[in-house]
Amino acid sequence: NAGVTQTPKFQVLKTGQSMTLQCAQDMNHNSMYWYRQDPGMGLRLIYYSASEGTTDKGEVPNGYNVSRLNKREFSLRLESAAPSQTSVYFCASSDLTRPMNTEAFFGQGTRLTVV
Amino acid sequence: KNQVEQSPQSLIILEGKNCTLQCNYTVSPFSNLRWYKQDTGRGPVSLTIMTFSENTKSNGRYTATLDADTKQSSLHITASQLSDSASYICVVTSGYSTLTFGKGTMLLVSP
Repeated sequence: NAGVTQTPKFQVLKTGQSMTLQCAQDMNHNSMYWYRQDPGMGLRLIYYSASEGTTDKGEVPNGYNVSRLNKREFSLRLESAAPSQTSVYFCASSDLTRPMNTEAFFGQGTRLTVV
Repeated sequence: KNQVEQSPQSLIILEGKNCTLQCNYTVSPFSNLRWYKQDTGRGPVSLTIMTFSENTKSNGRYTATLDADTKQSSLHITASQLSDSASYICVVTSGYSTLTFGKGTMLLVSP
């Protein structure tokens, strides 16, 4: 049981380059999330997808786009990377059919450095 | 605006000692509150969940409390071990889909 799988684990980009972070979950969850975590800032929501076919902005969406490819996969794209996007990115999923037990399961994270 | 505040920001204790971490929240409507443990370089993992009607819940050496009237929660760690060194994050769920994260308390257990 893999849970939530993110790729890649590490990435270095030059300013202006683009890349896509991949996330897949095998728990049949309907909701998926992308967070970034910076020192002293905690986890901040970038985008989320409450169900297949829908996406919504979170707290810090600027500079990012997302695609909910199917129920399993939720990707995060940086079109033109900036040094301010240097961070650790976490993908998570949860089962909203059980609202009183909304545990979020997290991937291992992607450590992105933009130089 | 939904907010979750945690204290202290960081804490150092000796192995074998107890400690208590605090979480205050202003989230509405309240669904549940979870404490997560995040080891360095890994994603957070849920330790315990508290719903509105629950006051205390234990998971091994971890005991969480919830006071829904004052909107406060605590996580008590008993007989700390070196493996308890991690960041502990309080997360409050609002409605069906909104998760509000605290910034976490960084705990270091020293031998």
